[in-house]
Amino acid sequence: DTGVSQDPRHKITKRGQNVTFRCDPISEHNRLYWYRQTLGQGPEFLTYFQNEAQLEKSRLLSDRFSAERPKGSFSTLEIQRTEQGDSAMYLCASSGVDRLQETQYFGPGTRLLVL
Amino acid sequence: AQSVTQLGSHVSVSEGALVLLRCNYSSSVPPYLFWYVQYPNQGLQLLLKYTSAATLVKGINGFEAEFKKSETSFHLTKPSAHMSDAAEYFCAVSLGAAGNKLTFGGGTRVLVKP
Repeated sequence: DTGVSQDPRHKITKRGQNVTFRCDPISEHNRLYWYRQTLGQGPEFLTYFQNEAQLEKSRLLSDRFSAERPKGSFSTLEIQRTEQGDSAMYLCASSGVDRLQETQYFGPGTRLLVL
Repeated sequence: AQSVTQLGSHVSVSEGALVLLRCNYSSSVPPYLFWYVQYPNQGLQLLLKYTSAATLVKGINGFEAEFKKSETSFHLTKPSAHMSDAAEYFCAVSLGAAGNKLTFGGGTRVLVKP
């Protein structure tokens, strides 16, 4: 069990550029979640997948954000036309081993800085 | 809908002293409750969880929490603080069997003084 991995760990970009983050969940987990954490705050839910189906999206996920999980394994989160307000830590989590799938295991996060 | 309130954004304790972090929740259905710890520039690590079994839950690193329905609380305690406990702690709630999205509190940063 190698845990949840995220790539890259850090990303610096200029305002207006597009960025894409990748998350690889724990291999046997069928649920995958994305959260955003701004400085000094708790994580906020963005979206989640069960296998390849995106089942819920937060109103925080504006039309500049898109997430995919094409084969039910890894997921990508893309932000188009980045804004300075997008600067945050983007956390991925997965669940699925517990009977009720209630325990989410988090990756190390991708820290985004938009200049 | 659910929400979490963590009282005290910063807590300072002496090494060897009791650690008490407060968490109150609201939930429209019987909740699942979690405590996570976050070290600088890292993701979140699960300390413990409550999923409607025993109300006193023991976790890793000597932490435990008690679910009190009447008080809508899930406070985290550790009898004796260690320097390695310095981190940020987050309480979170989900809607139990009704859904798995986590709603987090604002976090409590713990400073341990030697």
